[in-house]
Amino acid sequence: DTEVTQTPKHLVMGMTNKKSLKCEQHMGHRAMYWYKQKAKKPPELMFVYSYEKLSINESVPSRFSPECPNSSLLNLHLHALQPEDSALYLCASSQSPGGRDGSPLHFGNGTRLTVT
Amino acid sequence: RKEVEQDPGPFNVPEGATVAFNCTYSNSASQSFFWYRQDCRKEPKLLMSVYSSGNEDGRFTAQLNRASQYISLLIRDSKLSDSATYLCVVIRAPYSSASKIIFGSGTRLSIRP
Repeated sequence: DTEVTQTPKHLVMGMTNKKSLKCEQHMGHRAMYWYKQKAKKPPELMFVYSYEKLSINESVPSRFSPECPNSSLLNLHLHALQPEDSALYLCASSQSPGGRDGSPLHFGNGTRLTVT
Repeated sequence: RKEVEQDPGPFNVPEGATVAFNCTYSNSASQSFFWYRQDCRKEPKLLMSVYSSGNEDGRFTAQLNRASQYISLLIRDSKLSDSATYLCVVIRAPYSSASKIIFGSGTRLSIRP
């Protein structure tokens, strides 16, 4: 019963495929995030959207392309991924970006991505 | 040295035991602190915020020691369902444009029957 919903839960794609991950939150949060998490590691920040504008890109390869259509939605477009990109992709939201108001992140249930 | 450090564990304790683990932070500008719980192959879930005066939620107690720059999580009467990875999350310089959310590497806890 997470308040941040992600689809799909699982995704298997080939290296030539194009796919998209979707995330939605209805908590009125103004910041949304994409994280990548490998096994036994903490989440690693990829992108931050603040008030629907991209505010942080942690030097993520261009084969990952984020999009924020409105304040509730966040997409991650995937193209020409590599097997090493296989991971759990987590969307999160918070009241203010980067913890600016001291409030915590709320995570979606993640998309487990396998690149073959 | 990482800015936020946790003992990776695993901590392996019997059911009913009390277990505690710490998270140290190196930047004194860190002001907001949280514990998250993450089950295997699931998303992190907020367990509790950590307040200066310490706070308790059922069997869980969180404390902050600003002088020594660490936070702690104490779990009493541990249950099998407490087995998970516990992530420490710190917000450095909140309430500023330089704020940043930093994750510890997580502590694995395994409760045995």
